[in-house]
Amino acid sequence: GNSVTQMEGPVTLSEEAFLTINCTYTATGYPSLFWYVQYPGEGLQLLLKATKADDKGSNKGFEATYRKETTSFHLEKGSVQVSDSAVYFCALSGRSSGSARQLTFGSGTQLTVLP
Amino acid sequence: NAGVTQTPKFRILKIGQSMTLQCTQDMNHNYMYWYRQDPGMGLKLIYYSVGAGITDKGEVPNGYNVSRSTTEDFPLRLELAAPSQTSVYFCASSYGTQFFGPGTRLTVL
Repeated sequence: GNSVTQMEGPVTLSEEAFLTINCTYTATGYPSLFWYVQYPGEGLQLLLKATKADDKGSNKGFEATYRKETTSFHLEKGSVQVSDSAVYFCALSGRSSGSARQLTFGSGTQLTVLP
Repeated sequence: NAGVTQTPKFRILKIGQSMTLQCTQDMNHNYMYWYRQDPGMGLKLIYYSVGAGITDKGEVPNGYNVSRSTTEDFPLRLELAAPSQTSVYFCASSYGTQFFGPGTRLTVL
């Protein structure tokens, strides 16, 4: 079956530091890959996505590249801000018929950015 | 356009009580989902629906029931609440990308 493995947290960084959150996956076929962000007390929001190999998703300064050869989708940001403090989830959606576009989530990585 | 709305936001139940978590979306999405999120864990799929009148089990369906009589609504029913059902519940709808509601925090004592 499908699975997503995320770098364990929590991660604490100083403002303007470089961020990497690792994500690797196991899936049959060619899944779509996602990063969701969850701010305290809120639901999940889509941060970025990539639907095929070598695609780069980007949003709000965050980037992730779909690497089929390493089955990875690592999240990066060059300079984090205090407002980026949140929990980040990597997820995949299988392409097999009947999957109803179900998402398989990683366990989440808590990021805290200190001023 | 309210997106995905969930009620209630918080609820405390006693063991053996029942309740319905409400979920409504106004985006005319066919696909809807219920997840639970336990502390320090990712989301686990409880049930999903691909359209009105069609529902199916996800990864962790035991202890829950759903119905989908309209495109907009996808309620989740707990018949006999147990402490193991203490969690945060998220509803989502999708046309390709999933949009999530704000969640319901449920405690069973």
